[in-house]
Amino acid sequence: GNSVTQMEGPVTLSEEAFLTINCTYTATGYPSLFWYVQYPGEGLQLLLKATKADDKGSNKGFEATYRKETTSFHLEKGSVQVSDSAVYFCALSGTGRRALTFGSGTRLQVQP
Amino acid sequence: GAGVSQSPSNKVTEKGKDVELRCDPISGHTALYWYRQSLGQGLEFLIYFQGNSAPDKSGLPSDRFSAERTGGSVSTLTIQRTQQEDSAVYLCASSFQYQTETQYFGPGTRLLVL
Repeated sequence: GNSVTQMEGPVTLSEEAFLTINCTYTATGYPSLFWYVQYPGEGLQLLLKATKADDKGSNKGFEATYRKETTSFHLEKGSVQVSDSAVYFCALSGTGRRALTFGSGTRLQVQP
Repeated sequence: GAGVSQSPSNKVTEKGKDVELRCDPISGHTALYWYRQSLGQGLEFLIYFQGNSAPDKSGLPSDRFSAERTGGSVSTLTIQRTQQEDSAVYLCASSFQYQTETQYFGPGTRLLVL
């Protein structure tokens, strides 16, 4: 079946530091890949997505590239802000299953 | 326009009681999903509705859980004879279609079973 593995947190960074959150997946066919973010006290929001190999999703300074050869979709940001503190979820939507399969989530804490 | 709405936002119940959770999807969205977010299990898929097709119930954890979607819009998730392990945040999401379409999530219903 489909699965998503992402790095455990919490990840604690200083403001303006470089961020990488690793995400790898297992799926048959050609899944679509997503990063969702959950800010404190708020619901899940789509951060970015990529629907085919080599696509790069980007939003709010965050980027992730769909790497089929390494089955990865790592999230990166060049300079994090305190306001980026949240829980980040990697997810996939498979060809045989419509629902999202989520990773366990990575909590990011950015300190001023 | 309005996003996905869920009610109630919080629900406290006693073990053994039945609960109903409601989801109003975004107007025009044909796909509706229920997920559960709990400390021990993370985010889990429960059930999926797409138009008039039979729902995908493959994620329901037991036969105490059921859901329906009336008129292709509002959905109700029912948990019968609640157990303490049912305590979680129940999330509803909707989308235009599936696969590549973005799922938009509601704020969730936080259920606590005492």
